[in-house]
Amino acid sequence: SQTIHQWPATLVQPVGSPLSLECTVEGTSNPNLYWYRQAAGRGLQLLFYSVGIGQISSEVPQNLSASRPQDRQFILSSKKLLLSDSGFYLCAWSTEFNQPQHFGDGTRLSIL
Amino acid sequence: SQQGEEDPQALSIQEGENATMNCSYKTSINNLQWYRQNSGRGLVHLILIRSNEREKHSGRLRVTLDTSKKSSSLLITASRAADTASYFCATDANSGNTPLVFGKGTRLSVIA
Repeated sequence: SQTIHQWPATLVQPVGSPLSLECTVEGTSNPNLYWYRQAAGRGLQLLFYSVGIGQISSEVPQNLSASRPQDRQFILSSKKLLLSDSGFYLCAWSTEFNQPQHFGDGTRLSIL
Repeated sequence: SQQGEEDPQALSIQEGENATMNCSYKTSINNLQWYRQNSGRGLVHLILIRSNEREKHSGRLRVTLDTSKKSSSLLITASRAADTASYFCATDANSGNTPLVFGKGTRLSVIA
């Protein structure tokens, strides 16, 4: 069966520090991968998606970047965090764009 | 944008009652999906309904789709306290070559 792992679960970082969130998928090949951010009590904002190794599409220009160094690994990064980067970050995968997405348990990021 | 918009934003009911949530979207779709999110967790896929289907059931869930009105509804029958969560609809693009677009969700509270 397929599983998705996302870590860490919670993270507290100072403003201006770097960020690296990792997401890995097991049990499937060549998945579509997604990074979302969710503000408290709000909907999902799609940040990045990837259809293959090294292929990254950005939905919203901002302080973040994404990379896909391996087929089932998706990394969200920042060189310098801003207060506005606080939120709940979710990673997800799907076989195709119009198929169900499967989500990780998220990372709660707090910027101080 | 063909963002789904859920209605109501929040819903509070007594255990045993039925809960109905609605979703409206803007452009043609191949399918519409409903997801559930427990507090602090990732989203979980509940049900997918294709554009040529009008109704679909899964356990206590009943989903309807009216493509002429570009709307869908999710009915949870005989609700339980454990149904307390946020519910999101997501629509795909008719072309099938872009990610799902999620609505802002309905927060359901089921009071025991």
